[in-house]
Order: sequence, then C-alpha cells, then structure tokens
Amino acid sequence: AAGVIQSPRHLIKEKRETATLKCYPIPRHDTVYWYQQGPGQDPQFLISFYEKMQSDKGSIPDRFSAQQFSDYHSELNMSSLELGDSALYFCASSLQGPGNTIYFGEGSWLTVV
Amino acid sequence: AQSVAQPEDQVNVAEGNPLTVKCTYSVSGNPYLFWYVQYPNRGLQFLLKYITGDNLVKGSYGFEAEFNKSQTSFHLKKPSALVSDSALYFCAVRDQGGGFKTIFGAGTRLFVKA
Repeated sequence: AAGVIQSPRHLIKEKRETATLKCYPIPRHDTVYWYQQGPGQDPQFLISFYEKMQSDKGSIPDRFSAQQFSDYHSELNMSSLELGDSALYFCASSLQGPGNTIYFGEGSWLTVV
Repeated sequence: AQSVAQPEDQVNVAEGNPLTVKCTYSVSGNPYLFWYVQYPNRGLQFLLKYITGDNLVKGSYGFEAEFNKSQTSFHLKKPSALVSDSALYFCAVRDQGGGFKTIFGAGTRLFVKA
C-alpha cells in the first residue's frame, strides 16, 4: 500500500538559510499534518491542513510556513534557519475525521550547521 | 487542552514475559487514543487505537491496550515480549471536540532482553 512520501530524506543547511520540505500524502487522504521531533523528544505538532486550508496550528515558529496544494501535497518552508531547527520533520496524513488514523512518513532529517 | 503522560522513560522486560507500557491522558471531552511505535531513525508506525466500544483494543504485532475511563488510562500490553519489540513507544490523544491536533506523550523506550 502507498505510504506518505517525504522529500528530501536528509538536508543540511547553514544558519540563516531557507529549507523546503515536501510531503505527498497517502492517495485520497485529505488532511496533512506536520510534526517536528528533536533528538530524544516526542513529536511536536506544527500545523495541519484539510482540503488545502489550514485546519489547526501548533508550536510552529513564525519563520516557518506551510501550505497544501491542489494535488494535496504539502510543503513546509523554513526560513532564517537556526541551529535549534535541526530535527526530524514528519509529515502525516489521514482522512478527515477525528477518529481516523494518522499515518506518518519516514521523516526528513534537517541539520542546520 | 488535551495532554498525554507516559510516566516511564524506560521499561525493561525479559523476552517471553508480559509487558506493559503506561499512558494516562487528559481531555475536555471524549478521547480518541492511539499507540505508535518508532524504530531508530524511522517514522512512527501505527499500532492500535481506541475510538469507542470495547475497552480492550487489539492491534498489530500482538499488542493490545485497555481503555479505562475512570482512571483516564490507555496502557499498552503484550502477553509475551519479543526482543524485536524493543523500540520507542508513543501514546497519543485527540479530543473528539478538539479539532485536528493529535498530541503525543514523551515516549517510553522498551528494552526486551533475550
């Protein structure tokens, strides 16, 4: 079965640079979520989209922005990168509905040097 | 606001013995509860969930969890642990009336010794 696809899997950026992560949800899933997981930490909810509209917002810094496109893929844009942004960024998708299971991608490793 | 607590950072168990990974939650309404497992440098894999109905939920790889509303708990269990069960386990909760946000616990690392 198709899973959530994230790219790139690994990314190295310098401080103050910009990074863009891409996410392709499971086909027919209409909701996309972004999570950030720092080393040894639990996943922190950043933002979610339902039918291309922002549906919920968590602890996403103002330097970050995201959107969901007409084909339901999503991009997370991170600007003015800081060392503390180094983390594993997960995208997840689900069908709309609070009881539906969220399925995660393998994550994108961002290292800021 | 919803929250999840996993009181144990680490659980050690011998192979073949039963295991329990604890989770308690707090929501304003009725909860949807999930367990995920994470292997090193990998994404979170769904194990099981409680939505409604039977308090005992069976999931992947022989895991099960029991929903206890009075104790606001959703402990993960397995009758006989395997070395390959060693991983990081996350409990997660979503409030039925709380929108799209799913909140994760801090995680519990399970070590199964041969």
